[in-house]
Amino acid sequence: DVKVTQSSRYLVKRTGEKVFLECVQDMDHENMFWYRQDPGLGLRLIYFSYDVKMKEKGDIPEGYSVSREKKERFSLILESASTNQTSMYLCASTESQGNQPQHFGDGTRLSIL
Amino acid sequence: AQSVTQLGSHVSVSEGALVLLRCNYSSSVPPYLFWYVQYPNQGLQLLLKYTTGATLVKGINGFEAEFKKSETSFHLTKPSAHMSDAAEYFCAVMAGGYQKVTFGTGTKLQVIP
Repeated sequence: DVKVTQSSRYLVKRTGEKVFLECVQDMDHENMFWYRQDPGLGLRLIYFSYDVKMKEKGDIPEGYSVSREKKERFSLILESASTNQTSMYLCASTESQGNQPQHFGDGTRLSIL
Repeated sequence: AQSVTQLGSHVSVSEGALVLLRCNYSSSVPPYLFWYVQYPNQGLQLLLKYTTGATLVKGINGFEAEFKKSETSFHLTKPSAHMSDAAEYFCAVMAGGYQKVTFGTGTKLQVIP
């Protein structure tokens, strides 16, 4: 089975801090994604990556950046955390070919105080 | 562009009753369609997917969905609800490159004993 692991289940940070969320997958998937999930809004795509060192903006990239130095690891960075970035963050991965579904981690619930 | 509309943010059914969760999609190209389930404090798990071929798709836990192109719908059904089905359900469409997926806003299913 595909395993997508997010480094923290719960995280509390302060306004203005630089925050790193880590995600690792063990199935050699080319594509990786970061979403945020908010009540009533579903999942919204922040950034995705289709290869090492490659990244593309999603629908809501403002205030975020990403890093993919190794194929299995995709990091989400909040450059200067703000209270409106309090949310559930979900990482996913999938193969590059065909119509394969995305595989998700368990999520990181981030609170910015 | 692609989009997904899930009708009803909350649905309540009695245990043993039919479950019907509605999803309509919009896509400029033939879509791939997915249903995911999310249990509290967990990531999303794939229930079923439609790619090509048979329009009635069977998934895990007794769920199924029917792709109706003329109605642009992909409704999720289960003949008899169990208490364990209480969760949030997301419909999703893939119709672009890099396996990007657009999610609906979700439907929370409550099962009443």
